[in-house]
Order: sequence, then C-alpha cells, then structure tokens
Amino acid sequence: LAKTTQPISMDSYEGQEVNITCSHNNIATNDYITWYQQFPSQGPRFIIQGYKTKVTNEVASLFIPADRKSSTLSLPRVSLSDTAVYYCLVGERYGGATNKLIFGTGTLLAVQP
Amino acid sequence: DVKVTQSSRYLVKRTGEKVFLECVQDMDHENMFWYRQDPGLGLRLIYFSYDVKMKEKGDIPEGYSVSREKKERFSLILESASTNQTSMYLCASGTTGVKEKLLFGSGTQLSVL
Repeated sequence: LAKTTQPISMDSYEGQEVNITCSHNNIATNDYITWYQQFPSQGPRFIIQGYKTKVTNEVASLFIPADRKSSTLSLPRVSLSDTAVYYCLVGERYGGATNKLIFGTGTLLAVQP
Repeated sequence: DVKVTQSSRYLVKRTGEKVFLECVQDMDHENMFWYRQDPGLGLRLIYFSYDVKMKEKGDIPEGYSVSREKKERFSLILESASTNQTSMYLCASGTTGVKEKLLFGSGTQLSVL
C-alpha cells in the first residue's frame, strides 16, 4: 500500500511561506503525487500534482526529490484564507483500471494574523 | 461549469431506515468514489466504481452498498441506517490514469437518530 504520512497540524502567520511535507515510502514507479485542499463544510479541491523534481502553478509549488519517497507542498506568502486541511495522495493501482485513492488524515494549516 | 452534484446537503434519518445518497457528475468520468469524513479521521473510502455496473470495496464498506446503473450516477445505499453512520459523505469523480484528479461534490451531512 502506498500510504502517506503528514503532520497533523501546522501554524503560520500571514505573509510567511509554508512547507508541508508528506512521506510515501512505498510509492510505485508510475504513481503521481497529488495534493488537495479542503475548507470546512466543503469537499476537497485539487491544487497541484507532480511526478518528480519541481512543479509550480498559480497556487503552490511541489517539490519531489529523486527517490520520490516524500514530497513537499510549498505555499508562498500565506493569507488567512489559506487556513484549511491539506491532503497528499498517492494512487494505489487497482486492476490496472483505476486508482483506489486513499486519503490520509491530512495537515490542518492554521494561519494567524 | 463542470461539477459533481450530491442530491442533499443535509439529511436526517431514523435508525433502521434505508437511506439513498445520490451523486451525479457531468464530466463523463469513468471513475466515481464515495468517502465519509469524520473529525480526526480524515476521508475514508467506502466504495468506488470504474465503470457502469462495476464496483469495488474501499476501506470501510461494511453497512453500505452502491449502485452504478448509468455512467453519470453513483448511489450510496445504507441498507439499515445506524447512529454510527452519522457523518459527512463526499462523492467524487475522476478519469482513469496515473494523473487522476478528483472533483468532489459539496457533501451530504447525514444524521441518524
């Protein structure tokens, strides 16, 4: 099983850069790493995905080392509205047809003024 | 605007009732998922489906069944609701492949009294 491990919670202040690291020691060769963000009373939403090295979009950056056993989500200059739970996912292949996508407990990021 | 629609935002049922939670997606996605979310436990996979009439158990299928008669609709059924099934239920859909990204509905908060 490609399970993931993340810190339960993190605190930050507005304007700081926040890095959330996820461990996935059993990641398979073909698996991508995907991060989701969830606000209270809403479903999670996709924020970024990568396979190796670095990926950047308008919301975040994702750093993946060469061994791919971990990944780091980087949020630049967070604001109060970035307070949410962040999940990292690694697919668990099922019969070659799809991923049995298992979420962990996520990381609760609390941004303070 | 593409979306996943869950039929009810809030639902109150009595112990022993048969409960249907409906989910519809308009993106022609092959894969659909049902998760439940409880405080401190993150999202747990109940069932998923990778094609019409196909279903597979997730991590916590006990007490639930599913139905997928049409590609766009995935129903979660609680055969005999119990109080420990009080939870937030989230439906998601996604395409097949290693780059699978899930799109979630807004969730159904089910209370079983």
